Amino acid sequence: ETGVTQTPRHLVMGMTNKKSLKCEQHLGHNAMYWYKQSAKKPLELMFVYSLEERVENNSVPSRFSPECPNSSHLFLHLHTLQPEDSALYLCASSQDVLADPYEQYFGPGTRLTVT
Amino acid sequence: SQKIEQNSEALNIQEGKTATLTCNYTNYSPAYLQWYRQDPGRGPVFLLLIRENEKEKRKERLKVTFDTTLKQSLFHITASQPADSATYLCALGGGFKTIFGAGTRLFVKA
Repeated sequence: ETGVTQTPRHLVMGMTNKKSLKCEQHLGHNAMYWYKQSAKKPLELMFVYSLEERVENNSVPSRFSPECPNSSHLFLHLHTLQPEDSALYLCASSQDVLADPYEQYFGPGTRLTVT
Repeated sequence: SQKIEQNSEALNIQEGKTATLTCNYTNYSPAYLQWYRQDPGRGPVFLLLIRENEKEKRKERLKVTFDTTLKQSLFHITASQPADSATYLCALGGGFKTIFGAGTRLFVKA
C-alpha cells in the first residue's frame, strides 16, 4: 500500500460515454500527477498539479479534463474517448513538484478499455 | 530530444544469481536518476534515487551505479529470488521533470 488510492480499478466505456477517474493520496504531498501507460511504452505525463494549481499540461487532447479540488484529491474526467485511449491510467504524488525528495508514489492504476 | 534506453528484451536468470539491468540515456544531463519496480497491472514502486555526485548507492540487495560520463546507470539485484520478478523502470530527473524509460522485464527462475 503506497498511500495513493485510485477508483475504479477497471473501466470499460463506449466512445460516447462520460466517466471520471478518482485519485486520493494520504501522504500529505503537495504535488499530484496523471500518467498514461500503454503496453511496452514509457509512462506519459498528462497533467501535474501543485497545491491545486495546474503546473503542466503535456498537449493532452481536450477529451481528457483534470480536476484538483484540494491537494489530496485528483480527478480525470473522460468524454468521447477513442479506442487508442485504452491504457493503464496512473495517479501519483510527490512531496513537491520540483524539490527533494523527488520520488513519486503511484496508485494501483485504472485499466481503461474504450470500445 | 531526450531518450532513455532500457533493454526491451526480458532478462531471465537463475535464482541466487545477480541480475544486472542497464539504463542508457542521451541528450540529457540529469542531476538525479531513479529506479522503480512495477508488477503487472500495478503502479510503479520507488526503489532508489542516486544523485549525479554519487557513483554508487545500495539498499539491502540492491545496488545502483550512475556514470554521468557514459550516460549510463546499472541496477543490480544480488542473490535474486523469484519474488524479484517484475518490470524495472529507470527514470531521469525528479518531480514533474521526471522522464521514465519503458522498463526491462526480469524473470527469476527457481
